[in-house]
Amino acid sequence: DVKVTQSSRYLVKRTGEKVFLECVQDMDHENMFWYRQDPGLGLRLIYFSYDVKMKEKGDIPEGYSVSREKKERFSLILESASTNQTSMYLCASSFWAGVGTGELFFGEGSRLTVL
Amino acid sequence: AQSVTQLGSHVSVSEGALVLLRCNYSSSVPPYLFWYVQYPNQGLQLLLKYTSAATLVKGINGFEAEFKKSETSFHLTKPSAHMSDAAEYFCAVSDSGGYQKVTFGTGTKLQVIP
Repeated sequence: DVKVTQSSRYLVKRTGEKVFLECVQDMDHENMFWYRQDPGLGLRLIYFSYDVKMKEKGDIPEGYSVSREKKERFSLILESASTNQTSMYLCASSFWAGVGTGELFFGEGSRLTVL
Repeated sequence: AQSVTQLGSHVSVSEGALVLLRCNYSSSVPPYLFWYVQYPNQGLQLLLKYTSAATLVKGINGFEAEFKKSETSFHLTKPSAHMSDAAEYFCAVSDSGGYQKVTFGTGTKLQVIP
């Protein structure tokens, strides 16, 4: 069974802390994505990566960075967490454009609360 | 740039009634279109997808959607709602080239009334 695994389902952090959200996929997908989900706003793309060590900004990259050192792993980093980053974070992966249709496979989500 | 509009952030139907969730898209290139479902405290899972084959697409759990290019629509339907269909539904579009960046609508929460 295909799987995207996010390291933490629930996190509580304090303002100013550095936060790491980890995502691992076992489908040998080239593309990986981080989305943020907020009520009434749907899913908004933060960053995506189409290859190891490659990254592209999405629609709302401010305050975030990412790392992709291995094909199966894509990390989202909040250098200094702020209360407006309290949200649900969803990781997803997909095949590269020449093979896939853009269909995304999602993890269960990480709900982050910043106090 | 591509975009997706879902009409109605909340839809309520009676158990056994028709489910209709509306989605309109804009895309500068032939699109791929998707419906995803999200149950509480879970990630999204694919319901169905349109990839330029048949315009009427059947998905899981009895859902289907029809691609209408002239109306730029991809509405989701199910003939008879079940209590287990209560969830949030997202329409999404990706272009057929480049990185296939996927753009989501804002979601529609479906409530099923017994």
